[in-house]
Amino acid sequence: EAGVTQFPSHSVIEKGQTVTLRCDPISGHDNLYWYRRVMGKEIKFLLHFVKESKQDESGMPNNRFLAERTGGTYSTLKVQPAELEDSGVYFCASSQELRGEQYFGPGTRLTVT
Amino acid sequence: KNEVEQSPQNLTAQEGEFITINCSYSVGISALHWLQQHPGGGIVSLFMLSSGKKKHGRLIATINIQEKHSSLHITASHPRDSAVYICAVLGAQKLVFGQGTRLTINP
Repeated sequence: EAGVTQFPSHSVIEKGQTVTLRCDPISGHDNLYWYRRVMGKEIKFLLHFVKESKQDESGMPNNRFLAERTGGTYSTLKVQPAELEDSGVYFCASSQELRGEQYFGPGTRLTVT
Repeated sequence: KNEVEQSPQNLTAQEGEFITINCSYSVGISALHWLQQHPGGGIVSLFMLSSGKKKHGRLIATINIQEKHSSLHITASHPRDSAVYICAVLGAQKLVFGQGTRLTINP
């Protein structure tokens, strides 16, 4: 069974540009989470989907971030326009049950210059 | 002060030593996760526990709900155990993470 996959693994963009990160959860996992780790800080929750609905988006930093999960399968996280402080590693995780064990993807390292 | 505090932040030991990493939290939780991240690698879930103790190979995780404290132990440590170990607590529906403990095991 394939694990959680993320694309791209690394993205380098200039300030003001747009980047879209993709996460493919484990098949059949209704719960999908986005997290972010910025340099020197702990991993922080961004948002949680249950199927295609946003269950909790309290961790989204501002309206430059837009997450979607059309059809309840893969999810995208768009940053537009990107700022320097958006640099970090973005992790996606999925779980079968609401409070079940979460399986993490390899992360996308975003560098904004 | 973070809701989840880990100690130590960095730990260097010799191969074969017994390792303990601690995690204290200040919020109500339904479960606690121990995660492992190798350099340049993704995050792997080691344990998810809500009470007592779990063991997997050379790894042991314990939790004391009353004291809001958990420990991760590694017996007979090996250089391949070198990684960042992260404690994360599951509150209402989301994970809150500690800063991680960077473990280095020297041969």
